[in-house]
Amino acid sequence: QQQVKQSPQSLIVQKGGISIINCAYENTAFDYFPWYQQFPGKGPALLIAIRPDVSEKKEGRFTISFNKSAKQFSLHIMDSQPGDSATYFCAATSSGRGSTLGRLYFGRGTQLTVWP
Amino acid sequence: EAQVTQNPRYLITVTGKKLTVTCSQNMNHEYMSWYRQDPGLGLRQIYYSMNVEVTDKGDVPEGYKVSRKEKRNFPLILESPSPNQTSLYFCASSLTRGGHEQFFGPGTRLTVL
Repeated sequence: QQQVKQSPQSLIVQKGGISIINCAYENTAFDYFPWYQQFPGKGPALLIAIRPDVSEKKEGRFTISFNKSAKQFSLHIMDSQPGDSATYFCAATSSGRGSTLGRLYFGRGTQLTVWP
Repeated sequence: EAQVTQNPRYLITVTGKKLTVTCSQNMNHEYMSWYRQDPGLGLRQIYYSMNVEVTDKGDVPEGYKVSRKEKRNFPLILESPSPNQTSLYFCASSLTRGGHEQFFGPGTRLTVL
């Protein structure tokens, strides 16, 4: 059973546009939601993360929106640039005790292409 | 430089020939983990360790072994590799025991013939 569902699988955006990637989860024990960025030939790198006590977190052009009641969160990339072209993964984990502690569940990834 | 290193970076082997992929971190991190990445499936956790001598199974542990005898190292062992273990493998580490804010290594591309 897939713990974190991510869409779309691929996304093409014009330079300067807004890229939006969506994720959904079921397990209410999850309390930390990171996004990772991966360039070809590299390992994933942490981009931005959010906890469910806030509805939005912004770092530069990257914003996470979080909807706790809907169990959904999304990544918005404002003013998208060709250098943002990469694969993006959402993920979820839990800080509490139990079977989910230490487990990091990834979505299947979104390949973003920003055209100049 | 703070980093996670993996060796080898590329490996081609044959079915049944035992192999070890090493992982080392120089950040004094408590937590370490192994993932495999396959097209269309994203990253799936194989094993993780929240402390020395403590390891736990992830989503896809079958066919793999790990050990955490010292804090900085977390080798991945394939006792009898099979073609379905052909994949891109990543090691990661985190300062927190729960595995938040993970730093990933550069990856090991494994092909099992």
